[in-house]
Amino acid sequence: ETGVTQSPTHLIKTRGQQVTLRCSSQSGHNTVSWYQQALGQGPQFIFQYYREEENGRGNFPPRFSGLQFPNYSSELNVNALELDDSALYLCASSLGDSRYEQYFGPGTRLTVT
Amino acid sequence: AQSVTQPDIHITVSEGASLELRCNYSYGATPYLFWYVQSPGQGLQLLLKYFSGDTLVQGIKGFEAEFKRSQSSFNLRKPSVHWSDAAEYFCAVGPIFQGAQKLVFGQGTRLTINP
Repeated sequence: ETGVTQSPTHLIKTRGQQVTLRCSSQSGHNTVSWYQQALGQGPQFIFQYYREEENGRGNFPPRFSGLQFPNYSSELNVNALELDDSALYLCASSLGDSRYEQYFGPGTRLTVT
Repeated sequence: AQSVTQPDIHITVSEGASLELRCNYSYGATPYLFWYVQSPGQGLQLLLKYFSGDTLVQGIKGFEAEFKRSQSSFNLRKPSVHWSDAAEYFCAVGPIFQGAQKLVFGQGTRLTINP
């Protein structure tokens, strides 16, 4: 069974640029959630996708957007990067009715300079 | 709004000593409760979860947690820690409502083990 994978591992971008982060779900999982973890903080919920539809969103601006594909993999896109976007971005996959049993990937470390 | 408080930012214990990490939550009803562990540079690994029933739950790596409704707490315990337990520990709640199953995390407790 393949776990949750994310790419790239690390990324350095300049303020104002755009970035795309990718996530492959654990086999059989149809729900993907994205979290932002700033240094020294707990993860914060960005949004969730269930069967290719956004299923809920946290307190993040519209420049944070996402997609989920028919194979349930997902992308997180961030436009107009700001310095405060520097963080570890975590993807978690689950079954839609699994009552929060979310399995996390290793994350993508984004640095904005 | 739901929230999670982990009062201890950093705890140091000696190898072989017992451990208790505190977690308090604020929510109108009993949420689903979780403990995750994060090693440096890694993602989150689920240690244990509470949904209902027995208030003492067992997890992986010898950890257990006790749900106390009257105190809105879900403290994590281990009778004897190992050097490999050094990591960041996060308590999280999952509010029970229709829609997204988002987890709300505490700030985390960093655990250091003295040899």
